[in-house]
Amino acid sequence: QQQVKQSPQSLIVQKGGISIINCAYENTAFDYFPWYQQFPGKGPALLIAIRPDVSEKKEGRFTISFNKSAKQFSLHIMDSQPGDSATYFCAASEEGYSTLTFGKGTMLLVSP
Amino acid sequence: DADVTQTPRNRITKTGKRIMLECSQTKGHDRMYWYRQDPGLGLRLIYYSFDVKDINKGEISDGYSVSRQAQAKFSLSLESAIPNQTALYFCATSASWVNTEAFFGQGTRLTVV
Repeated sequence: QQQVKQSPQSLIVQKGGISIINCAYENTAFDYFPWYQQFPGKGPALLIAIRPDVSEKKEGRFTISFNKSAKQFSLHIMDSQPGDSATYFCAASEEGYSTLTFGKGTMLLVSP
Repeated sequence: DADVTQTPRNRITKTGKRIMLECSQTKGHDRMYWYRQDPGLGLRLIYYSFDVKDINKGEISDGYSVSRQAQAKFSLSLESAIPNQTALYFCATSASWVNTEAFFGQGTRLTVV
């Protein structure tokens, strides 16, 4: 049972373009939604996170949009750069727990 | 030095062998986790521990066991390795309050032949 569905599986974007990765969840008890970034040979690292009391959070070129009624959230990378090429994972956790349920990941390639 | 250190980084073992993957952390976190990463399947939780005396099964615990030797050390064992346990394994830690950042190690690439 996949509780967090992530799409697309892979994405190619030109330098300067906008990268968009989407996630959907089913468990209404989820109340924390982080995004992790993983470079080859490295462990995932927290990129940005949001809680359901806000609809959007922006940190630099990275923005999370959150739609509670649709049970969806997305990562937008503005002005995408080759250095953004990595695998991105969305995740979610329930109130009172700290175990994360991850999506299957999106491999992003930003072409020069 | 890395905050979360996994050893070994790479390991090739034979089917049926017992193998232990080790994780140590210097972040002072109580909570530790073992995840498995497979291409196209994302990160799946194997076991987690909220303190030294606490061990919990995750989504895919069959064929694995863990030991929490100290606050800073959490090891994962494959009692009798099989080829479909070939994967990238990550240890992670987090602070004791809910919904905080998880810090991952560099990973152990395990191949079972």
